[in-house]
Amino acid sequence: QSALTQAASVSGSPGQSITIPCTGTSSDVGGYNYVSWYQQHPGKVPKLMIYNVTQRPSGVSNRFSGSKSGNTASLTISGLQAEDEADYYCSSYASSTAVLFGGGTKLTVL
Amino acid sequence: EVQLLESGGGLVQPGGSLRLSCAASGFNYRTNWMHWLRQAPGKGLMWVSRISSDGSVTLYADSVKGRFTISRDNAKNTLYLQMDSLRGEDTAVYYCARDSYSSAPDWGQGTLVTVSS
Repeated sequence: QSALTQAASVSGSPGQSITIPCTGTSSDVGGYNYVSWYQQHPGKVPKLMIYNVTQRPSGVSNRFSGSKSGNTASLTISGLQAEDEADYYCSSYASSTAVLFGGGTKLTVL
Repeated sequence: EVQLLESGGGLVQPGGSLRLSCAASGFNYRTNWMHWLRQAPGKGLMWVSRISSDGSVTLYADSVKGRFTISRDNAKNTLYLQMDSLRGEDTAVYYCARDSYSSAPDWGQGTLVTVSS
């Protein structure tokens, strides 16, 4: 059960757009449209931002969007704001187990 | 409003056991699959286990398979995680979460499990 691969950190300036990639295999990210993204601020409970690759739960800003190409899923945040600074985790359904997570990406808003 | 309240965490010695509980309210618990997830101090999220709505299907991460047991009581709207043969690397905040399409839209506040002598 290898974790999904995420960059350790990414940064951007307010107003910019950033993309966080999440790479898996054909047995997880590439094989199913069950990729999710979570935002976690320090000391807080994770919050679901994207599910089923592209779907936003009610109440999540439309500045957050998800996509997938082959074995790599991506989270894009447009119009970056200071409150977007947080850790972001991808997850996917996997055939060998139920769910895999990525190692997390720390977003810094400069 | 969905509410999930974990309990049962604490300090336990290596090799010991602990049972976590998660009281659910605000949604139709008996029709939802549920997850347990954890986060070691300063580390990322890790999925631990998942159970079907009627309890007939259970799935585990390799690192806990054979040591942890997930179960549920739909009459009491409660989810459980029995943890045996605990190791130092099991030290983490444990969260229960409601499942939806293999994602977790609702989480509890978590309960801390510390495995140490």
